Amino acid sequence: AQKITQTQPGMFVQEKEAVTLDCTYDTSDQSYGLFWYKQPSSGEMIFLIYQGSYDEQNATEGRYSLNFQKARKSANLVISASQLGDSAMYFCAMGANTGFQKLVFGTGTRLLVSP
Amino acid sequence: DADVTQTPRNRITKTGKRIMLECSQTKGHDRMYWYRQDPGLGLRLIYYSFDVKDINKGEISDGYSVSRQAQAKFSLSLESAIPNQTALYFCATSAPPDRGPYNEQFFGPGTRLTVL
Repeated sequence: AQKITQTQPGMFVQEKEAVTLDCTYDTSDQSYGLFWYKQPSSGEMIFLIYQGSYDEQNATEGRYSLNFQKARKSANLVISASQLGDSAMYFCAMGANTGFQKLVFGTGTRLLVSP
Repeated sequence: DADVTQTPRNRITKTGKRIMLECSQTKGHDRMYWYRQDPGLGLRLIYYSFDVKDINKGEISDGYSVSRQAQAKFSLSLESAIPNQTALYFCATSAPPDRGPYNEQFFGPGTRLTVL
């Protein structure tokens, strides 16, 4: 069975600074995908970034990058140059089985960006 | 217009009532999912469907049923609602794996359900 662990219930960062949100995972699958979603206070789930288990390079999407360390089973999200609008809940998720169609989510990290 | 819509957006009901949450999508995806979100627990999968004739139980299907009326519609029912089913419910869709290198799930706006 797959499991995602996010050990930081809350994180604080000042505007324009970088922040790392931790995510570790457990799976016996050789092929899997890791996802990060953002949930602002309005409630919707917004896809941010994806990393495949066979991808050799860390994924990047604008200010988001995923620090993928396969041997350590970690997939940390790095947000550079934080903005006030980055304040939200962030969820790490793993795609299980072929096609990564069933997502298992972590419990989330609440990020607060201060001016 | 939103690609994944959910109705109602908010619902308050009483214990023992039957309630249906509806999800529609215009993304053309054949795969649809229902999740519930509880504070401190993240999202948990209730049911998923890979096409109209394929329905599968997820992690927490007890007390719920689903209906896939068409490729674009996937409904979640609570036959006899109970207070611990109070939660935020999300519908999501995804494309099959042969349509891209990865398949993120696209979420609807959520339905906030309160069972008194």
